[in-house]
Amino acid sequence: DIQMTQSPSSLSASVGDRVTITCRASQGISNYLAWYQQKPGKVPKLLIHAASTLQSGVPSRFSGSGSGTDFTLTISSLQPEDVATYYCQKYNSAPFTFGPGTKVDIK
Amino acid sequence: EVQLVESGGGLVQPGRSLRLSCAASGFTFDEHAMHWVRQAPGKGLEWVSGITWNSGSINYADSVKGRFTISRDNAKNSLYLRMNSLRAEDTALYYCAKASNGDFFDYWGQGTLVTVSS
Repeated sequence: DIQMTQSPSSLSASVGDRVTITCRASQGISNYLAWYQQKPGKVPKLLIHAASTLQSGVPSRFSGSGSGTDFTLTISSLQPEDVATYYCQKYNSAPFTFGPGTKVDIK
Repeated sequence: EVQLVESGGGLVQPGRSLRLSCAASGFTFDEHAMHWVRQAPGKGLEWVSGITWNSGSINYADSVKGRFTISRDNAKNSLYLRMNSLRAEDTALYYCAKASNGDFFDYWGQGTLVTVSS
């Protein structure tokens, strides 16, 4: 099975900073990669699918890129409401594995 | 408005069984694959199982294969997860999730908590 890893596992940044999270697949998955945001105590929310397609209603400060095995989620200007754990997920084929998550908070 | 409402969770002893349900509304249920995703307390998301719109393809995580059974009733707009031989490590919040045009999840329920303990 394809394994998903994320780095860093956590980060602390200032409001307005550019934040980048990396997701890596152990084998190529083309662009079958989604990103989710889970705020503390809340249900996960879809941010991006097809590696770079922003879900409707998601702020444009979020963007995704990558293909094959290496992907990134970028927050162009971190806001207080972005404090959350971010997960990537592969969906090219089962099992539809999630990455371990990256916890983002405000410095 | 899309709504997914899980039920059936609770406290169960190791080795026993439980059946989770997910009632769906606000979309054409029989046009979408559906999935179960779980989250152990303080841990990350773990995909559990998925079923296509017509039940023609079903998949499971290795951790539950042979113990859990996913099913759906399109006439009732409902998704189910039958969980047998439950273990302590199955303790988690179980989410029902709607697949979009691909097996990524655009809507999630609030979850139902399963606790496996003696």
